[in-house]
Amino acid sequence: DAGVTQSPTHLIKTRGQQVTLRCSPKSGHDTVSWYQQALGQGPQFIFQYYEEEERQRGNFPDRFSGHQFPNYSSELNVNALLLGDSALYLCASSFRDRDQPQHFGDGTRLSIL
Amino acid sequence: AQRVTQPEKLLSVFKGAPVELKCNYSYSGSPELFWYVQYSRQRLQLLLRHISRESIKGFTADLNKGETSFHLKKPFAQEEDSAMYYCALSRFQDFQKLVFGTGTRLLVSP
Repeated sequence: DAGVTQSPTHLIKTRGQQVTLRCSPKSGHDTVSWYQQALGQGPQFIFQYYEEEERQRGNFPDRFSGHQFPNYSSELNVNALLLGDSALYLCASSFRDRDQPQHFGDGTRLSIL
Repeated sequence: AQRVTQPEKLLSVFKGAPVELKCNYSYSGSPELFWYVQYSRQRLQLLLRHISRESIKGFTADLNKGETSFHLKKPFAQEEDSAMYYCALSRFQDFQKLVFGTGTRLLVSP
């Protein structure tokens, strides 16, 4: 099992563009959470998907949206990109049992020019 | 709002020395506290959580609600402990919605 896989690894965009990041959860996991990690900071919670619905959301604008597919994989979409959106975007998956830990992917490094 | 503070960006110790990575939190309810670790070129991974009350790789952490702290300790540091350590908090009602601190880099020298 490769664990949580994210694509692409790196991405360069310009201001105003839109981007889609992808995440495949660890086998057996049904919950996907997305985090943004700016340079020198800890990860910040964006939102979480379970049963194809957004279950929780952090303090991020509506430009950040997501989706979960029936196979539990997930996408993070960001519209109208700003320079401040440059960050490492982490995906974490888990099973609905709260005693099970979250497993993180390697992340997608997004750079906005 | 919940907040996690890790006051040290960098902690440098010699092999065999004791280690304490500090973590303070602000939350009025009953939090779940975690320590995550990221070794060089590896993914962020869970090290331990307070409800487990277990020792992982020689590390322990005790939740002190009076001081709102969850410091990570190890009596004798090893070179392989060098990594980035993040303290994180979750409210019981927020299933696995983690609030992270800014992290502390631990450097263990021979």
